[in-house]
Amino acid sequence: IAGITQAPTSQILAAGRRMTLRCTQDMRHNAMYWYRQDLGLGLRLIHYSNTAGTTGKGEVPDGYSVSRANTDDFPLTLASAVPSQTSVYFCASSKEGRGWPQHFGDGTRLSIL
Amino acid sequence: DAKTTQPPSMDCAEGRAANLPCNHSTISGNEYVYWYRQIHSQGPQYIIHGLKNNETNEMASLIITEDRKSSTLILPHATLRDTAVYYCIVSGTGKLIFGQGTTLQVKP
Repeated sequence: IAGITQAPTSQILAAGRRMTLRCTQDMRHNAMYWYRQDLGLGLRLIHYSNTAGTTGKGEVPDGYSVSRANTDDFPLTLASAVPSQTSVYFCASSKEGRGWPQHFGDGTRLSIL
Repeated sequence: DAKTTQPPSMDCAEGRAANLPCNHSTISGNEYVYWYRQIHSQGPQYIIHGLKNNETNEMASLIITEDRKSSTLILPHATLRDTAVYYCIVSGTGKLIFGQGTTLQVKP
């Protein structure tokens, strides 16, 4: 079934550790996105990529980095995790940017202790 | 991207139409209106989007006023499974800014 796969589903991580959240889509979508959602709040955009080889900053990019080496994969890296990065992380993709709907993964629940 | 205003919560009887309003008075001509919903802590689910014309798909209808300053999402026959947070988002770039949304409670 075509869609977005996120891994891991959940993770508990010690502060200061490095962590990479994986996101893969098989829909050949050009645009991909990373959001975080904190308890009781809406989603906030962290980083995005309009096409392979390009990335951009969203609303809350600090402490996160992304890469887009190919169309299918868009990993999100926390170089040195801090407790404030405890959140649920959602990856999304769309065929193009403007005018196309985004399809979301099931999320990664990350706890930083 | 233009901001949106939605009521924080609404109730709807099962089997009745649910009409969710959204104000976006500062919308620009090239900005789309998108609707998503989120059930529990699942990933957001795309419902429908439009630019100027009313739109309908298998899930819902989107009614956009002629001046484009407001819109209404219509779920024609709400079921208990439609209980969720519904987000109205206006965007001209593809990047989505999520607000607090409307919590729709469908009651038996």
